[in-house]
Amino acid sequence: GNSVTQMEGPVTLSEEAFLTINCTYTATGYPSLFWYVQYPGEGLQLLLKATKADDKGSNKGFEATYRKETTSFHLEKGSVQVSDSAVYFCALSDVGTTDSWGKLQFGAGTQVVVTP
Amino acid sequence: DGGITQSPKYLFRKEGQNVTLSCEQNLNHDAMYWYRQDPGQGLRLIYYSQIVNDFQKGDIAEGYSVSREKKESFPLTVTSAQKNPTAFYLCASMGGHQPQHFGDGTRLSIL
Repeated sequence: GNSVTQMEGPVTLSEEAFLTINCTYTATGYPSLFWYVQYPGEGLQLLLKATKADDKGSNKGFEATYRKETTSFHLEKGSVQVSDSAVYFCALSDVGTTDSWGKLQFGAGTQVVVTP
Repeated sequence: DGGITQSPKYLFRKEGQNVTLSCEQNLNHDAMYWYRQDPGQGLRLIYYSQIVNDFQKGDIAEGYSVSREKKESFPLTVTSAQKNPTAFYLCASMGGHQPQHFGDGTRLSIL
């Protein structure tokens, strides 16, 4: 079956530091890949997505590249701010079959704490 | 503004009681989903519905029930059979092949 593995947190950084959150996946079909962000007490917000190999998703200074050869979708940001403190979830959606269409498989989430 | 509204934000359940969590969307999305989130874990799918009057079990459906009588509504009932209901519950919807859009969640606790 499909699965997503992401690095454990918490990740603690100073403001303006470089952030990387590793995410790898296994999938039987042709997944789309997503990063969602969750701020305390809130639901999930889509941060970025990629739908095919070599696509790069980007938003708010965050980037992730769909690497089929390494089955990875690592999230990066060059200079984090205190406001980036949140939990980040990597997820995949396998649209290859009718049964799995639209269903998201999530990683466990990585908490990021940015200090001033 | 279009979006998903979950209510209530906080809910308390007594032993042996069923409780219902509301999820309403005005995005005209066909598909709707319920997830459970436990501390330090990712989201796990409880039930989903791709069309009105139809729904399927997700990975952890035991102790839960749903209905989909209207396109915009997908309520989740946590029954007394769910022995560990304390969690954060998230509802999502999806239209076409766009990413899922989430509500702000309901936090359920046991009295």
